[in-house]
Amino acid sequence: QVQLQESGPGLVKTSETLSLTCTVSGDSISSYYWSWIRQPPGKGLEWIGYIYSSGSTNYNPSLKSRVTISVDTSKNQFSLKLTSVTAADTAVYYCARDAYNTHFDFWGQGILVTVSS
Amino acid sequence: QSALTQPRSVSGSPGQSVTISCTGTSSNIGVYDYVSWYQQHPVKAPKLMIYDVTKRPSGVPDRFSGSKSGNTASLTISGLQAEDEADYYCCSFAGSYTMVFGGGTKLTVL
Repeated sequence: QVQLQESGPGLVKTSETLSLTCTVSGDSISSYYWSWIRQPPGKGLEWIGYIYSSGSTNYNPSLKSRVTISVDTSKNQFSLKLTSVTAADTAVYYCARDAYNTHFDFWGQGILVTVSS
Repeated sequence: QSALTQPRSVSGSPGQSVTISCTGTSSNIGVYDYVSWYQQHPVKAPKLMIYDVTKRPSGVPDRFSGSKSGNTASLTISGLQAEDEADYYCCSFAGSYTMVFGGGTKLTVL
């Protein structure tokens, strides 16, 4: 069974960089696409972007200028960096397996990141 | 990249059927058969219920079904049960290797 686990700081200061890591177990990261998705408190889901094991990426156009997703196949992990954060970036951040870039079949439990000065 | 449009809420009694709509455009739902649906209970991660418009992952009851017509996709839940009460989100491939979600629908089982 595929399992994903997000990790990283739960509090980030305004204008700084949010950094999260997703550790994958039960499957090799060298298959499928892997995505980050976020959900502001009380609101809906927003796709942030994906990475393939080759390092190929694609991002939500609304966040593209601030987002970088990278992969470390040796550790079976992929990571998210979001720069110049504001309170609007406060959300639960999920990592998910992105099956053939068409749907998300396994999800992490999510991690709440609060942006505050 | 505009979000897909879903009703804010729907409701039904146990045993009844409910349908949740998800309206997109000719740039996403209208042109790709890559619509998926997710169930989210409070403080839980979303769970995949339907993918590729009509397919159910292993373990999802056949009470859940999906369909699509033009720019609108639908999730139908038949034989409503108390545990079906949750938020439901649709999602579609939107071209250029991007994905877009709906705003979510709260299902209340009366």
